[in-house]
This record gives sequence, C-alpha cells and structure tokens, in this order.
Amino acid sequence: AQSVTQLGSHVSVSEGALVLLRCNYSSSVPPYLFWYVQYPNQGLQLLLKYTSAATLVKGINGFEAEFKKSETSFHLTKPSAHMSDAAEYFCAVSGTGNQFYFGTGTSLTVIP
Amino acid sequence: DTGVSQNPRHKITKRGQNVTFRCDPISEHNRLYWYRQTLGQGPEFLTYFQNEAQLEKSRLLSDRFSAERPKGSFSTLEIQRTEQGDSAMYLCASSPQGGLASGRSDTQYFGPGTRLTVL
Repeated sequence: AQSVTQLGSHVSVSEGALVLLRCNYSSSVPPYLFWYVQYPNQGLQLLLKYTSAATLVKGINGFEAEFKKSETSFHLTKPSAHMSDAAEYFCAVSGTGNQFYFGTGTSLTVIP
Repeated sequence: DTGVSQNPRHKITKRGQNVTFRCDPISEHNRLYWYRQTLGQGPEFLTYFQNEAQLEKSRLLSDRFSAERPKGSFSTLEIQRTEQGDSAMYLCASSPQGGLASGRSDTQYFGPGTRLTVL
C-alpha cells in the first residue's frame, strides 16, 4: 500500500525566507514521488518528481526536493520565498497501480 | 493550448438531478484519470482508462457514478441522482503512453477541474 503524510496543513513564511514543506511517504515498493502546486480554482501543476534517479531533484520556480529513503521523506524546499509562491502544495506517491496517492496538502502563505 | 481541458468549469444542480462532465486530455496521451477533491483534501482517485478501456475503479465510485471513454479520446463522468455529498471538485488528468520503465504512471497532467455544487 502507498500513502503520503504532509505535516503542517498551513505554513507561513516571510518573503525572502526559506520555504520547507514536509512530506513523508509509505510504500511497499520503491516509490515514485511528486510535488504539485495548486492555485485557487485551478488544476494541479507539476513542480518536480523523483523516479529513482538522482535523489536531489530540482523543479520549476526554484523549488527542489530531496529523497531520503532512510527517513521515508521527500521534503520540498525553496531558498527564498516570493509572494507568487502562495498556493496549496500536494505531495503524491505512485505505487504499484496507475493511480497517484495524494497528501492532504499544505497551504503556503507568504507574508510581505 | 494543448493542455487538459474540462467542461463545464462550474455546475450547480439540485439534489436528485443527473450531471455529466467532460474531459479532453492532451491529444497524444492514452491514459486518462478522474479524481475527486473535497475542500481541504488532496485529490482522491476515482477511475483510470487506458485508451477506451476502464482498467481501474475506486470503491469511491458508487453505482451512481459512471465514466466512459468511447473512442479513447475524450471522457465523460456522469453522476446520477446527485447527493449533497457529491459536491466537490472533479479533476481529470492524462499521461502519455508507456510511462516509466517499470510500467508505473509517470507525470499526470491535470485539467482545471469541474466544481460541482449540489443544493
């Protein structure tokens, strides 16, 4: 079985500060992991993905994530937050089937 | 724009009515997915098509729900006798042929969703 847990349903950071959004996964097979961003009333947009290649993955808009098998984690980071980063972020795992299993999301607020 | 499109974007209906949503995937993608997203939650898988074949269905997909992809291109999701608990955002996604070497799904590309409100 596969699942993800996103710690912190709401995260607030100041503009220019580090963004850290946490994701822990559970998977019975080597996982493929994804981070998506969702802006209000829009669909999900892929930020980055891990599919068993390099453990440090770089994505769009300056985001990156590191796969840590020992910690079963795939946390999303960005060195310096922009106002435009305010959105809902979802971590997802692809397991043995064709569906994705999503976390409950983390709402990021950027304070000017 | 060659992204995933969904229509309508919003639907308000009365309890007991039937509704149908349409999804047009990215043209070269043979895999199509439907998800449901309620407020404060992540998307939950409903069903998956490979070409015109419906290969997986979630237990969330009750008998009132039916999905089709008759020619392996666009898909429709119908909800019969809607209930207030059906109010949600319905998301469609598509992904290309083959996916990853393991056969598992690679990136899914999402449409903007259809927001259903059942009064």
